[in-house]
Amino acid sequence: AQSVTQLDSQVPVFEEAPVELRCNYSSSVSVYLFWYVQYPNQGLQLLLKYLSGSTLVKGINGFEAEFNKSQTSFHLRKPSVHISDTAEYFCAVSVYGGSNYKLTFGKGTLLTVNP
Amino acid sequence: DVKVTQSSRYLVKRTGEKVFLECVQDMDHENMFWYRQDPGLGLRLIYFSYDVKMKEKGDIPEGYSVSREKKERFSLILESASTNQTSMYLCASTLTVSGNTIYFGEGSWLTVV
Repeated sequence: AQSVTQLDSQVPVFEEAPVELRCNYSSSVSVYLFWYVQYPNQGLQLLLKYLSGSTLVKGINGFEAEFNKSQTSFHLRKPSVHISDTAEYFCAVSVYGGSNYKLTFGKGTLLTVNP
Repeated sequence: DVKVTQSSRYLVKRTGEKVFLECVQDMDHENMFWYRQDPGLGLRLIYFSYDVKMKEKGDIPEGYSVSREKKERFSLILESASTNQTSMYLCASTLTVSGNTIYFGEGSWLTVV
């Protein structure tokens, strides 16, 4: 079975600073990787996903993530954050070729952007 | 645009009541899910359905049941609500394609008193 660890439960940053939200996964087989964002009082929406190919994936709102197979990581980055990026971010994994719908989520990282 | 609609955003129910949470998607997706979200625990899968009248238990099915009579609609049922079922419930759907995006509704906040 696969698992996901988000290494920081909370990340406070100042506006226009860079940010990295860390995600590690474990799986005995190849995986698909996702980052979802949840704004206050809303559902989750997809930021980006890695299926195959280039290990650097670009998503919406200026976010990007890098898949590192040797370190089993999929960290999310943004070079300059805005107040509007304040939200909870979830990393998720599903097994390649298996039941795609069985996404396993991490426990989330609350990003707070301060002025 | 993709749409997953949860009929009730906020509910307050009494202990022992039967509770129905309804979810409708307009994307002709085969797969639908119910997750529960609690602070510090992330999202946990309660049940999912991969076709009409088909269902499978997720990680925390105890105290819940589901119904899928039509492809677009997936209902979560709490037979006898308890205070430890106070939570945010998220419905989601996706096509049966490897790596496909899962789309979420806006969530239903349930308080059991």
